[in-house]
Amino acid sequence: DAGVTQSPTHLIKTRGQHVTLRCSPISGHKSVSWYQQVLGQGPQFIFQYYEKEERGRGNFPDRFSARQFPNYSSELNVNALLLGDSALYLCASSPRGEDTEAFFGQGTRLTVV
Amino acid sequence: AQSVTQPDIHITVSEGASLELRCNYSYGATPYLFWYVQSPGQGLQLLLKYFSGDTLVQGIKGFEAEFKRSQSSFNLRKPSVHWSDAAEYFCAVAEPYNQGGKLIFGQGTELSVKP
Repeated sequence: DAGVTQSPTHLIKTRGQHVTLRCSPISGHKSVSWYQQVLGQGPQFIFQYYEKEERGRGNFPDRFSARQFPNYSSELNVNALLLGDSALYLCASSPRGEDTEAFFGQGTRLTVV
Repeated sequence: AQSVTQPDIHITVSEGASLELRCNYSYGATPYLFWYVQSPGQGLQLLLKYFSGDTLVQGIKGFEAEFKRSQSSFNLRKPSVHWSDAAEYFCAVAEPYNQGGKLIFGQGTELSVKP
């Protein structure tokens, strides 16, 4: 079975640009969460979606947004990129919204220059 | 607010030696606790989890962890470290579902293994 897949694996953007990161959960999983991991730190929670509805939001500015599609895949959008947005963005999926065990993808490495 | 502290940023052990990585949490209720491992540039792999019951939990790759409520700790142990165990290790606590269900991670402990 395929695990959580994220695309692209690496991305370089310029300050002020917009970026879209994509995530496909494990087949049958209905919940997707997004985390930001800055170099040298633990992952920080950004969003959780379940059945296409936002269930949780971390302490991130409104430049960050996300959505979940009917097939349970998800997109994370970041507008007006800043240098500080450079990080590894991790997607995690779980079977149901109430599950606390999350399965992580390999991440998307975003570099803002 | 809930938090997780991993006091050791970097630990070096010799191959074959025992290992203990420390984790302390701050949480009001009975916590859901996890240990994840991350190889360079990779995602997170779950090593083990504690939800309830036996306070000594076994995980993959020969790892185990012990939940000690009195010390608010969930330390990770392995009796004999292999060179392939070199990686970053993260302890995490999960918020209840009705509070968003998010994972709160510690800063991580980088493990180096000497031959």
